Amino acid sequence: GENVEQHPSTLSVQEGDSAVIKCTYSDSASNYFPWYKQELGKGPQLIIDIRSNVGEKKDQRIAVTLNKTAKHFSLHITETQPEDSAVYFCAGVTGGGNKLTFGTGTQLKVEL
Amino acid sequence: DGGITQSPKYLFRKEGQNVTLSCEQNLNHDAMYWYRQDPGQGLRLIYYSQIVNDFQKGDIAEGYSVSREKKESFPLTVTSAQKNPTAFYLCASSPSRTGKDGYTFGSGTRLTVV
Repeated sequence: GENVEQHPSTLSVQEGDSAVIKCTYSDSASNYFPWYKQELGKGPQLIIDIRSNVGEKKDQRIAVTLNKTAKHFSLHITETQPEDSAVYFCAGVTGGGNKLTFGTGTQLKVEL
Repeated sequence: DGGITQSPKYLFRKEGQNVTLSCEQNLNHDAMYWYRQDPGQGLRLIYYSQIVNDFQKGDIAEGYSVSREKKESFPLTVTSAQKNPTAFYLCASSPSRTGKDGYTFGSGTRLTVV
């Protein structure tokens, strides 16, 4: 089955700086990679996703890049703001799979 | 508005009791999932269902049970056999049985054993 590893587990940045979270996956047949943001005491919310036929996707200050050869994908947040502070989870699903496999999460703290 | 609703938000259980957590969705999604989240930890899959009247065990199914009698409902029962049930429980649904269109999560139920 799919295995997804996520780094770093915690990340502190200054407001206005960029933040990058990286995930690697094991199954070369994986073809869908979403990112979720979880605020304290709430359920995760989908913030961006990418499919294997695309190398990069952007949505305002958020972007995701996918390197199929190296089997890794990354979340990039530019011009970070305090409200970006949360736990971020990456996930993947294989071509023949029927559920998402989640990374272990990254606690992002944006400091003033 | 379409969404996924978990209730109650907070639940207290005495040792030896069974409790049932509710999860209802009006998104017409085929697949539904239950996850457990411990403090500072990731998401661990308990059970999932891709179609009515069918469900599969996840990675940590022991001590839990589910049913899927209706498309919109996927209740989770935490039985007395679950030795450490205190956790945050998340329900999710997906329009795709493969999960390839992402999940919509509920707001969670925090279960505490007293």
